[in-house]
Amino acid sequence: TQLLEQSPQFLSIQEGENLTVYCNSSSVFSSLQWYRQEPGEGPVLLVTVVTGGEVKKLKRLTFQFGDARKDSSLHITAAQPGDTGLYLCAGVANNDMRFGAGTRLTVKP
Amino acid sequence: DAGVIQSPRHEVTEMGQEVTLRCKPISGHDYLFWYRQTMMRGLELLIYFNNNVPIDDSGMPEDRFSAKMPNASFSTLKIQPSEPRDSAVYFCAIRSGGAFYNEQFFGPGTRLTVL
Repeated sequence: TQLLEQSPQFLSIQEGENLTVYCNSSSVFSSLQWYRQEPGEGPVLLVTVVTGGEVKKLKRLTFQFGDARKDSSLHITAAQPGDTGLYLCAGVANNDMRFGAGTRLTVKP
Repeated sequence: DAGVIQSPRHEVTEMGQEVTLRCKPISGHDYLFWYRQTMMRGLELLIYFNNNVPIDDSGMPEDRFSAKMPNASFSTLKIQPSEPRDSAVYFCAIRSGGAFYNEQFFGPGTRLTVL
């Protein structure tokens, strides 16, 4: 059973479109991380959010941590083919970190 | 820069054979993690070490799995005997510092196929 539910599981869009992916849980996390994983490689950290309601921006990527620290979202503006990959969220609680199953994003040129 | 070398990158073996996966961190760290990734179950933590000592192995699926870290520069994950359901990508990751929100640096993974 996944503690973290990510949606959608798969997403295929055209270059230039906007998108939002979600990471939800019934558990409260002390922090939450987003990773991106490209084929044949390990996940790479994009951002860590710690405070409820926190918003962080990384170029065209906007990350938000829910007020109750149970959920998070990742919004990509004007997606590019280079954004293609598996996006994983990971929640930290009680000295334990668990990953969601990920959203597999494909951006077509 | 933090980095992790894993070998082999691909392993194909037959059911019942012993498999040894290797991880070599190439920079300083306090923690080393072994993960398994499959389409069905996602990324699962198997075991992690702190200063070469195993701290939590509750994610190790069965006694067929074992992991060692003889020194700060080397760790192994062994499966004996291997089964087809062990087919997955196995990642090694490192982290500096005790805070769980500190960045983990992942290796490129070993893709294991058990026939």
